Parts: sequence; structure tokens; C-alpha cells
Amino acid sequence: DAKTTQPTSMDCAEGRAANLPCNHSTISGNEYVYWYRQIHSQGPQYIIHGLKNNETNEMASLIITEDRKSSTLILPHATLRDTAVYYCIVRVFSGYSTLTFGKGTMLLVSP
Amino acid sequence: SAVISQKPSRDICQRGTSLTIQCQVDSQVTMMFWYRQQPGQSLTLIATANQGSEATYESGFVIDKFPISRPNLTFSTLTVSNMSPEDSSIYLCSVAFSGGSYEQYFGPGTRLTVT
Repeated sequence: DAKTTQPTSMDCAEGRAANLPCNHSTISGNEYVYWYRQIHSQGPQYIIHGLKNNETNEMASLIITEDRKSSTLILPHATLRDTAVYYCIVRVFSGYSTLTFGKGTMLLVSP
Repeated sequence: SAVISQKPSRDICQRGTSLTIQCQVDSQVTMMFWYRQQPGQSLTLIATANQGSEATYESGFVIDKFPISRPNLTFSTLTVSNMSPEDSSIYLCSVAFSGGSYEQYFGPGTRLTVT
């Protein structure tokens, strides 16, 4: 699987949008971008994934650049409960490929 | 989605002993995975457990140290054998369904401390 690069930490004010960047310059054509988050003392939680089009669900939006070398996860209205480590992962779209976790971004949402 | 439970949620064990961690899923799943998360670190895949076949271990993990069972499509166990303090970690079970978007779901983890 391709490697990803994320900032170590970010801060965000409650109620504001949190924009978490991820670089994946070596991504292959058959690899998707997945985002997970891990709230302290819990197992990772799936957020969203995409191939090349922008995606939105009830949790977040995923913006993937046209060359697919980077992406941004957007939490439109961050709350204190969004404080977590966010992992950007690229993987082949297959039930037989697993998730390889990097160090992620620690997002701290403050009042 | 899937609801995953793990037992025990935490344990404190003496070095040299073994602990078996159970993972139960509320629906049948194709793939089950075991991860380790050492203190302050990210998750590392230990092995993939398929029903009816031997588990596939990642580099650095061996069956003698981490034997895995997968007797059916909703249950798996991971044993941490002959424990040392370096085995103190959170052990997480994860599952994925065939078809769909191949999302992986994670259990709450088992926090193991070896003294």
C-alpha cells in the first residue's frame, strides 16, 4: 500500500470547520483513500472513503485533488467529541487488503 | 455495520503466563483481523484470521507467540503466550465484510498490562 503523510497535530475551535490534510503522492490507480479516527481508549472508527470524486456523508466530506496525490478531510462543524487521532490510509478496494495505519493527526477541538 | 465485543476489556498478567482474548461479532463476517497498539503508538496488524484455514501472520509475529483460532464466522480468539512486559499493549479485533465498500470495523480493544 502507498504511504501517507499527515501533520502530527492540529487545533480547531469548536463550531468551526476542521480541515485535515493528507499527502499520498505514490497512490496507485486502484487504491482508495480511507479515513478513520480513534477517540481516546476506543477502537478506530470508519469515517469516509473515496477514489477520485469528492465524497460526503453524515460525518464528513472528503476532497481528493484531481491528480489524487493529496486529499482533505473536512469536519464542517467540529465539536469537542471530534477530538481524536485521524488516520488517512490508502488501500486497494478489496476485502482481502487490510488497513495499514500511520501515525495520524491528533486533532484537538477546543471550546 | 458490525457490533464487535471483546473479552476481557482489560487484564493485568504476570510474565510467563498466557492470556486468551475473545472477539465476538454480531453477524457473519468474511475476514477477521487482530491488531496491536503499543503505548503511544499506532496500530500494527498481527494477523488475518480466516474461518477454516490457518491465520496469516505479518512480519515480526509468529504463531507460537500469538496463536489464533477462528472456529466460525462470528468468533475468533487471540492468545498472547509466554508474556513479557513488552507485550503490554491494546489488542484490537477488526472485521470486514466481503462485497460492499470493504470497510473495516473495530472492537473496543483489550488493554493488557504485563508485570
